[in-house]
Amino acid sequence: AQKITQTQPGMFVQEKEAVTLDCTYDTSDQSYGLFWYKQPSSGEMIFLIYQGSYDEQNATEGRYSLNFQKARKSANLVISASQLGDSAMYFCAMRERETSGSRLTFGEGTQLTVNP
Amino acid sequence: GAVVSQHPSWVICKSGTSVKIECRSLDFQATTMFWYRQFPKQSLMLMATSNEGSKATYEQGVEKDKFLINHASLTLSTLTVTSAHPEDSSFYICSALGTDYYEQYFGPGTRLTVT
Repeated sequence: AQKITQTQPGMFVQEKEAVTLDCTYDTSDQSYGLFWYKQPSSGEMIFLIYQGSYDEQNATEGRYSLNFQKARKSANLVISASQLGDSAMYFCAMRERETSGSRLTFGEGTQLTVNP
Repeated sequence: GAVVSQHPSWVICKSGTSVKIECRSLDFQATTMFWYRQFPKQSLMLMATSNEGSKATYEQGVEKDKFLINHASLTLSTLTVTSAHPEDSSFYICSALGTDYYEQYFGPGTRLTVT
């Protein structure tokens, strides 16, 4: 079974609007972490935001927020006020502390295009 | 802080030759580094976990004799693709585990083309 599922291969959003990128996960670990990375066409992986399984509040970092719904096992990324520079590939990733230590498992990614 | 570099950023080699890719943590010591491979429009696939001073742990399906990993110091891990073939052409990314043993810091990647 897929550990991380990103069901949206591609998403389009108008500049200045908000967009939600979906991510669901599957784990039996009690302690785990969820990450979102941005990968522009240059290829570098840019860390955006992190949510721990025991964190009670949703993580926020500037224009990025993570909508964490533990019971649903979802960790959606919300980007507010989209900018042209947000066009990139976005990956959701999970680290399962008990099962795999510090290794990350990545989803298939969502290609976001911001239209002017 | 927490910068990871890779060298070279891109390389073209002929089929049958070997190529070495370096991954360095510039401002911190990394006992653990990871090597990923990424094909176009696909996700990152973990190839192996590199631990300083010990043998690398390879993921299932990754040929350890083909992808040689050496982590000889706390700031350097190398990946050598031996007897490269066109199907080895890919984007190779390394990451280093931070001193908190929690966050991974990614290098900028190396684009390998085998002709």
